[in-house]
Amino acid sequence: IAGITQAPTSQILAAGRRMTLRCTQDMRHNAMYWYRQDLGLGLRLIHYSNTAGTTGKGEVPDGYSVSRANTDDFPLTLASAVPSQTSVYFCASSLNSGSTDTQYFGPGTRLTVL
Amino acid sequence: GQNIDQPTEMTATEGAIVQINCTYQTSGFNGLFWYQQHAGEAPTFLSYNVLDGLEEKGRFSSFLSRSKGYSYLLLKELQMKDSASYLCAFMDSNYQLIWGAGTKLIIKP
Repeated sequence: IAGITQAPTSQILAAGRRMTLRCTQDMRHNAMYWYRQDLGLGLRLIHYSNTAGTTGKGEVPDGYSVSRANTDDFPLTLASAVPSQTSVYFCASSLNSGSTDTQYFGPGTRLTVL
Repeated sequence: GQNIDQPTEMTATEGAIVQINCTYQTSGFNGLFWYQQHAGEAPTFLSYNVLDGLEEKGRFSSFLSRSKGYSYLLLKELQMKDSASYLCAFMDSNYQLIWGAGTKLIIKP
C-alpha cells in the first residue's frame, strides 16, 4: 500500500508557465487537501475536496485550481506560475471531511519558480 | 480571530526530556493535533487531543487545556532520531486545520 504519492518530487519552472502537480491516494479516503509550506509559516490550505466531484477554496487559493474527477486523484494546477508560488506543496487525505479524522500527507513537491 | 503560536527552535540533550508548548486562540475548536516532520519529509501524525488532560503514547505525551488555549508535547528519553520539527495545529469550527509554524527540535549527544 503506497498511501499518498505525489509527482514530481521537485521542479524548476519558468514564470508564466503552466504546471500541474499530481496527487494520488489508494486509501479510499473521501477528503483530500493541498497545502503549501513556506519557511517560518505554518502549512496553509490552498484547496480541498470533501468527496469526488466537489472542491472548495482554502486560505490561499489565488493562482491555483484543482479538480476531483475520482476518489483517488486530486491534481493541483498553476495556470501561470509566479515566483511567489515557490514553495513545498503537500497533498493530504483523510477518511472524511467535516470530522476530526487524521490527515495523512504525501511526500511533497518542491517547486521553484524563476 | 484565530492564531496559533509555538517556539521556533529548541535544543535538548539525548536521553533527556523536552516539552514543546503551543498556544492558540479561536472561537471554534474541534481538537488539537501534533505532527512530526523530519527535514525534507512529510508531516506524520503523532497525537490528537480534544478533551482536557494528558494523553500518553509511549515516549510521547500530549496535554491540552481548552480553557487556557494551551497544549504541550512531552518527549521523554530523547533519541537522536527525534531531531525534527514538531507542528501543532487546531481544528476550527469548520473542521479545517490551522497550523503553527513548527518547532525545530535539535538533539545534542
